[in-house]
Amino acid sequence: AQSVTQPDIHITVSEGASLELRCNYSYGATPYLFWYVQSPGQGLQLLLKYFSGDTLVQGIKGFEAEFKRSQSSFNLRKPSVHWSDAAEYFCAVGAWGKLIFGQGTELSVKP
Amino acid sequence: EAQVTQNPRYLITVTGKKLTVTCSQNMNHEYMSWYRQDPGLGLRQIYYSMNVEVTDKGDVPEGYKVSRKEKRNFPLILESPSPNQTSLYFCASSLSGRRGLGYGYTFGSGTRLTVV
Repeated sequence: AQSVTQPDIHITVSEGASLELRCNYSYGATPYLFWYVQSPGQGLQLLLKYFSGDTLVQGIKGFEAEFKRSQSSFNLRKPSVHWSDAAEYFCAVGAWGKLIFGQGTELSVKP
Repeated sequence: EAQVTQNPRYLITVTGKKLTVTCSQNMNHEYMSWYRQDPGLGLRQIYYSMNVEVTDKGDVPEGYKVSRKEKRNFPLILESPSPNQTSLYFCASSLSGRRGLGYGYTFGSGTRLTVV
């Protein structure tokens, strides 16, 4: 069955610290992989996407993600978190019109 | 401005009263989709469409209908809403590409539906 798992429901990091949000997936073939961010009361914004090629992809707002086929993972990273990064982050995988989302990781940032 | 527009933003209705949530995109996207978002469950796909007159079920299609008669519009219909359909609904659209979803979905601002 196709699924996406984000193991961490809630993460708190200090401003300026590094961040890694985990995402594992189960899919029949190599899917397209995405990370989205949702600020409170807002819609979803695409941070980055991976289709093929270089397994380290760069996105907006200083985020990057690394695809590891052997681990079926697509973890999101940021070297230095800003207070404005506090939001909910969703990993998603899919192909054609079908896109499956994880349950989300809520990020809090301590001053 | 390129965008996905949903209406209404907020809706309170009573059980059994048919309703339609509209969705329109001005980006000439082939793919469109509806999701519902519930706390602790993330986003779950209701239906998606790969082009005019081509629709398919997502993971939670029960109780919903869609139609895609024009490329820009993809309305979500609840024929007989029930309280368990109280949720935050998002419409999304995407250009097609290799294996579809070539560019990721662009999301609307959401419709908060309450069924009492």
